[in-house]
Parts: sequence; structure tokens; C-alpha cells
Amino acid sequence: DAGITQSPRHKVTETGTPVTLRCHQTENHRYMYWYRQDPGHGLRLIHYSYGVKDTDKGEVSDGYSVSRSKTEDFLLTLESATSSQTSVYFCAISELIRGWSVGEQYFGPGTRLTVT
Amino acid sequence: GENVEQHPSTLSVQEGDSAVIKCTYSDSASNYFPWYKQELGKRPQLIIDIRSNVGEKKDQRIAVTLNKTAKHFSLHITETQPEDSAVYFCAIRGGSNYKLTFGKGTLLTVNP
Repeated sequence: DAGITQSPRHKVTETGTPVTLRCHQTENHRYMYWYRQDPGHGLRLIHYSYGVKDTDKGEVSDGYSVSRSKTEDFLLTLESATSSQTSVYFCAISELIRGWSVGEQYFGPGTRLTVT
Repeated sequence: GENVEQHPSTLSVQEGDSAVIKCTYSDSASNYFPWYKQELGKRPQLIIDIRSNVGEKKDQRIAVTLNKTAKHFSLHITETQPEDSAVYFCAIRGGSNYKLTFGKGTLLTVNP
């Protein structure tokens, strides 16, 4: 497995509280991604980063924000958690190959978040 | 935006049979087509991928075929084994970005 860790691995929180999930990589890859996985929906992109301080929205970004102040860390924040944000969250990384083509995407172990 | 349809959503086969999962896409600029396997409670893992300049790629018992004209690609698993049981996801990536769009997944069950 690529050097990707996520913390925490499990979290239970109450509606309305802020939550931050961390993705840490040791591969020095440029691109980082946050997905959520829900039954029947597959993997949906929340936000992604194409460099330090460079981020953009994915298809399900409402209610989420991200920050990337260092190459190795990509943080996902739920400002005010809702029950609809109960999900499994995966971080992923990828890098350019041959200077122009984006290579394979590798996933972290996931974080199971429950909002009660 | 990019869209990918994956079928079937569930597939049950007997050990030793072949399994085929198909994905169709709409963006003709898509140029990268990976397949991921996800075992229960685990992370998705890349098992095979193909780029748009190649029609077929094999790796032991698994193969991927791409038909750019018809805009579909398929995963073929031969001589299935119980350890092949998992959820399989296809994905596509367009020509001008580095995001993947995933299909909704196929739950493959291989019965001993």
C-alpha cells in the first residue's frame, strides 16, 4: 500500500459539531483527493488538491471545506456535521508520470464517520 | 460533466466460471480507464487499468477491453475463485483533468 494514512479511523460525533479528518502521505505526490462512499452511490469526489494551497470542488462539496498547507497533509472539515454526512471517507493520492500524464490513484484506509 | 454507468450491480458466478462487468461513458475525451477491487471493510485497490491508445490489456486472470467508438470498457475475470468476491468499480478520467469519476460498483460473489 502507498504511504497514506487517515486519522481518525473511526469517529462518532453529534449533529452541529465541527469535524476535521486528516489525510497524510509520505509519497510526495502532488494530487490529493477526498471521497465519500455510501451504499448505492459508489465513490463520490468531495474536494481535491493539485498542489499546496490549490484546491477545487468535486461533485458533492456542499457542507465540506478543505485545506492543504503542506504537500503531505490534506484536511477535510465538516463545519457543522449533519446526519447526511454519515459515511466512509477515503483520501487518495496520485502523481504526474512522464511529466504530463497523471498516474494511478491510491487510496488511504478510510475513516468511518457517524453523525448522531 | 463526466458520467459512467456500470452494469450489472450484482453478479453471482460459480467458482471456475468467467465474470464480465461493463461500463459505458459519455465523454469522448476520456483517456484513462482503471478498475478497482474493494473487499469488505477495506480500501479500493487498483487491479488493472488501460489508456485510450490500447484496446486490451491482460494480467493473469484479469483483462480489460476498451471500445472507444462505442464508449464502453469491460473487466473480464476468468477461472474465478472465492477470493475474487468483492465490489468492483470502474472509473474514467477525461483528457484535461486529473479527477476520476467512478461507476456505482458491482458486487461479485463467487460461489464455491
